Amino acid sequence: TQLLEQSPQFLSIQEGENLTVYCNSSSVFSSLQWYRQEPGEGPVLLVTVVTGGEVKKLKRLTFQFGDARKDSSLHITAAQTGDTGLYLCAGGPRVHDMRFGAGTRLTVKP
Amino acid sequence: DVKVTQSSRYLVKRTGEKVFLECVQDMDHENMFWYRQDPGLGLRLIYFSYDVKMKEKGDIPEGYSVSREKKERFSLILESASTNQTSMYLCASSPDRNPSEAFFGQGTRLTVV
Repeated sequence: TQLLEQSPQFLSIQEGENLTVYCNSSSVFSSLQWYRQEPGEGPVLLVTVVTGGEVKKLKRLTFQFGDARKDSSLHITAAQTGDTGLYLCAGGPRVHDMRFGAGTRLTVKP
Repeated sequence: DVKVTQSSRYLVKRTGEKVFLECVQDMDHENMFWYRQDPGLGLRLIYFSYDVKMKEKGDIPEGYSVSREKKERFSLILESASTNQTSMYLCASSPDRNPSEAFFGQGTRLTVV
């Protein structure tokens, strides 16, 4: 059983569509992070959310941390082909003990 | 720019061989991690280290050991490689603050034949 459950596992959409992916846990986190990984590369941090209910925007990407700090969502508006990649959420019981979800593999078709 | 460098991008080893995967970071980070990444399973933590010579087991330490003799270097050792250790191995480092951010290397794709 993974500490962080991500859904959906795969998502394929057309350019211009909106989408939301989810990261859920039964544990409370002091912070959650979202990373994006492109083929052949390591994951790269997109955002860190810290406060319950927090919303952060990164251009067309909107990240939300649940009020209870157990879950998070990533919403992409008007997806572009450059958004294609593996989206991972991460958190951990201690700052130096980080766990990752299995990820959502997003494909945006032209 | 933070840089985490893994010694090899691709590696092919035979069953039973001892395998060393090396990782070096240049940002004086306290924490370093080794993960393996397999389709459908995401990143699974093998070991992490929060200081020189300090290490803790992650979720899947069996068949692996690690070494951290210097702050910038974290090595993963496969004592006797097996085919089920064929995987992508990712090294990461992070500063010891909360919240923190992990910086990853490009990964080593290991194939054990």
